[in-house]
Amino acid sequence: AQSVAQPEDQVNVAEGNPLTVKCTYSVSGNPYLFWYVQYPNRGLQFLLKYITGDNLVKGSYGFEAEFNKSQTSFHLKKPSALVSDSALYFCAVRAKAAGNKLTFGGGTRVLVKP
Amino acid sequence: GAVVSQHPSRVICKSGTSVKIECRSLDFQATTMFWYRQFPKQSLMLMATSNEGSKATYEQGVEKDKFLINHASLTLSTLTVTSAHPEDSSFYICSAVGTGGEAFFGQGTRLTVV
Repeated sequence: AQSVAQPEDQVNVAEGNPLTVKCTYSVSGNPYLFWYVQYPNRGLQFLLKYITGDNLVKGSYGFEAEFNKSQTSFHLKKPSALVSDSALYFCAVRAKAAGNKLTFGGGTRVLVKP
Repeated sequence: GAVVSQHPSRVICKSGTSVKIECRSLDFQATTMFWYRQFPKQSLMLMATSNEGSKATYEQGVEKDKFLINHASLTLSTLTVTSAHPEDSSFYICSAVGTGGEAFFGQGTRLTVV
């Protein structure tokens, strides 16, 4: 079975400071990893993905994530956070053997203070 | 990116009535769509996998007779909550997987059963 852990329920950061949202995963075989962001009463918006290739993945809105196979992690980062980045962030994983079925982490709420 | 449209965004219904939620992939064909349920401040729970032209695959614990799924075409899947009760009140989200492997999500539907 595949699983995702987001150890922090909430991350607080001052505007302009670096932002990191942690994610670790467990899956059989090579993982496909994703980050999504959700604003209140909205669906999820795709930020970035790792399928294969370069371990550092760049995505939308200045976000990036680094795939670390030895640590089974896929932490989301942004060098300089904006107040508008305040939202709920989900890490997700799927294995090729699981078809297109995604497993989500519990979510991390990011609060960027001015 | 690809667009998935979900309708309605909000619905209030009386106990005992049925509610239909539509999920459309607007610019791509989706042989598989997914339906999720999200409780407040929680992650997404996969309810079922909707397969075009065949029966949906339900996750353990999800009542297939209560949550009817129809995937009549490559661009449309519907979820019907039958004989709704207040405990069915929730945020329902659909998704479809694009050609690049990432899932695209609808805007979500806030269902309130009174």
